[in-house]
Amino acid sequence: SQQGEEDPQALSIQEGENATMNCSYKTSINNLQWYRQNSGRGLVHLILIRSNEREKHSGRLRVTLDTSKKSSSLLITASRAADTASYFCAPFERSGGSYIPTFGRGTSLIVHP
Amino acid sequence: GAGVSQSPRYKVAKRGQDVALRCDPISGHVSLFWYQQALGQGPEFLTYFQNEAQLDKSGLPSDRFFAERPEGSVSTLKIQRTQQEDSAVYLCASSLESGDEKLFFGSGTQLSVL
Repeated sequence: SQQGEEDPQALSIQEGENATMNCSYKTSINNLQWYRQNSGRGLVHLILIRSNEREKHSGRLRVTLDTSKKSSSLLITASRAADTASYFCAPFERSGGSYIPTFGRGTSLIVHP
Repeated sequence: GAGVSQSPRYKVAKRGQDVALRCDPISGHVSLFWYQQALGQGPEFLTYFQNEAQLDKSGLPSDRFFAERPEGSVSTLKIQRTQQEDSAVYLCASSLESGDEKLFFGSGTQLSVL
């Protein structure tokens, strides 16, 4: 089953604008990660936020986590055409004795030059 | 190797055939995950290994799916008597530790069942 659910499903913006994607999940987690996927390729790790953290930055990326609302957001500032890709959140949900990353359907981001 | 390697890159199978998909994780990575990604969807969890132990196989859709990692490095996902609904990209990912390390993904194997 897909645990993380991203919103919106699709986002189209102009270069230089900011892009915000949201993620909701259903159960308790120990961390949440965001990944990017270009068409036809494997996923690439972007950023990790632990369950005891509320905000994290990495370059043009800013991620927030609200465990009370079971939600996270990814902000990409000053977007570029090269940011065009699908973005997935992966909450690490406890399953038995392990933490398993589960992915949602993703947000398809198109940045127009 | 430098990254996670999956082979073959593409596989076409006739319905009813058995297929075997290989994953070579990054050397020294303890955790290994298999995912199935249908067109336009996100990756769906199939199974998880910690070294050679298969700790979670709750995502395997049927008993036609079988995975192994006998020596704690290379893993093979086997699908018996393939059906059209098995057509998807199969992704493998590895991580250094378990539980909260970032995943490194391979490029996947695209399986088409005719």
